Amino acid sequence: AQKVTQAQTEISVVEKEDVTLDCVYETRDTTYYLFWYKQPPSGELVFLIRRNSFDEQNEISGRYSWNFQKSTSSFNFTITASQVVDSAVYFCALRPTIQGAQKLVFGQGTRLTINP
Amino acid sequence: EAGVAQSPRYKIIEKRQSVAFWCNPISGHATLYWYQQILGQGPKLLIQFQNNGVVDDSQLPKDRFSAERLKGVDSTLKIQPAKLEDSAVYLCASSPSSYYEQYFGPGTRLTVT
Repeated sequence: AQKVTQAQTEISVVEKEDVTLDCVYETRDTTYYLFWYKQPPSGELVFLIRRNSFDEQNEISGRYSWNFQKSTSSFNFTITASQVVDSAVYFCALRPTIQGAQKLVFGQGTRLTINP
Repeated sequence: EAGVAQSPRYKIIEKRQSVAFWCNPISGHATLYWYQQILGQGPKLLIQFQNNGVVDDSQLPKDRFSAERLKGVDSTLKIQPAKLEDSAVYLCASSPSSYYEQYFGPGTRLTVT
């Protein structure tokens, strides 16, 4: 069974603070992909990152960074020096790499509010 | 490059009525997905098409929901008859193939009264 848990339902911080969004996943597959998507108030899910289960290197993209730890089944997302425009709902998702159906399993999402 | 297009953006209907949503994927994307997102939850896959064939419809309530992708491009999702619990945002996504990340449209917000 595939499952993604985002325990933080809502987070509210003041602009310029750093914030980490947690993601824990469950899967019996040995190979899989993990994703983060951003959903701003407009409603459209915006792709942020894809990570292969074999690649445990952390990744940094501007103010965004991702920490993948296979030993704890976690794929956490950190925003450094947060900005008001970062306010959105963020989803972590899991997808097996088997051929055929490539269903994305999403977590419940974390609503992030950055206050000026 | 144009993104995934969906229409209408909003729809309000009464229970037991029927409704249809339309999706135009990114040009050249072979894989198309329909998701249902209930308020406060993550999206849930309803159906996945590879070109015009169905790959996964295991979570599609087939007694009331139907979807088609004629000619392997545009897709239509229909609900007939609608129930109150169908109130949600219906998201369409596409990808070049099932191995790549999915690109989402703006969604259709359905309210069933």
